[in-house]
Amino acid sequence: GQSLEQPSEVTAVEGAIVQINCTYQTSGFYGLSWYQQHDGGAPTFLSYNALDGLEETGRFSSFLSRSDSYGYLLLQELQMKDSASYFCAADTGRRALTFGSGTRLQVQP
Amino acid sequence: NAGVTQTPKFQVLKTGQSMTLQCAQDMNHEYMSWYRQDPGMGLRLIHYSVGAGITDQGEVPNGYNVSRSTTEDFPLRLLSAAPSQTSVYFCASSGVRTGSPYEQYFGPGTRLTVT
Repeated sequence: GQSLEQPSEVTAVEGAIVQINCTYQTSGFYGLSWYQQHDGGAPTFLSYNALDGLEETGRFSSFLSRSDSYGYLLLQELQMKDSASYFCAADTGRRALTFGSGTRLQVQP
Repeated sequence: NAGVTQTPKFQVLKTGQSMTLQCAQDMNHEYMSWYRQDPGMGLRLIHYSVGAGITDQGEVPNGYNVSRSTTEDFPLRLLSAAPSQTSVYFCASSGVRTGSPYEQYFGPGTRLTVT
């Protein structure tokens, strides 16, 4: 089967750095994506890692270690608008994704 | 560009009724998918398509049918609605030629309640 594990909730203060971890077990793996979803909204794409290492996009970075079946999303200089749910998702080669259950991030002033 | 559009936005069905959720994209994407999201949960793949005329099952296909007669449209049919199908349904698309295949564009969702 396919499974992706991530923490259910994380709380941090404005301006801080937070890391959201994701471990995966999938049959077939091409890469790990991260999506953001605000309450009542649709998921929006943040990043994708096909290779080991760190990818940086502005305040957000994502890391992948294939040997450890592990990745994380790093959010820097947290802002109130970053309060949302964050999902890791595995690309298993079908051009459709297998999602984790999501991490709810609460940013406090 | 409208992106990915879904209709209706909200729907209430009685148990046993059937209906079709519509999804369309204007980005010429080859890949389209349907997901359902239950409260506090991640998205689960129902069906997906890698091109017109080609569909396949995802993790939770039972009770749903799809077809892909054109690149633009990917409707999802509920055959006989059950309360367990109460959920938010998202359609997504991605493409090789027109952008990253890994970046999926999601529609706004259809909130379905089955009583």
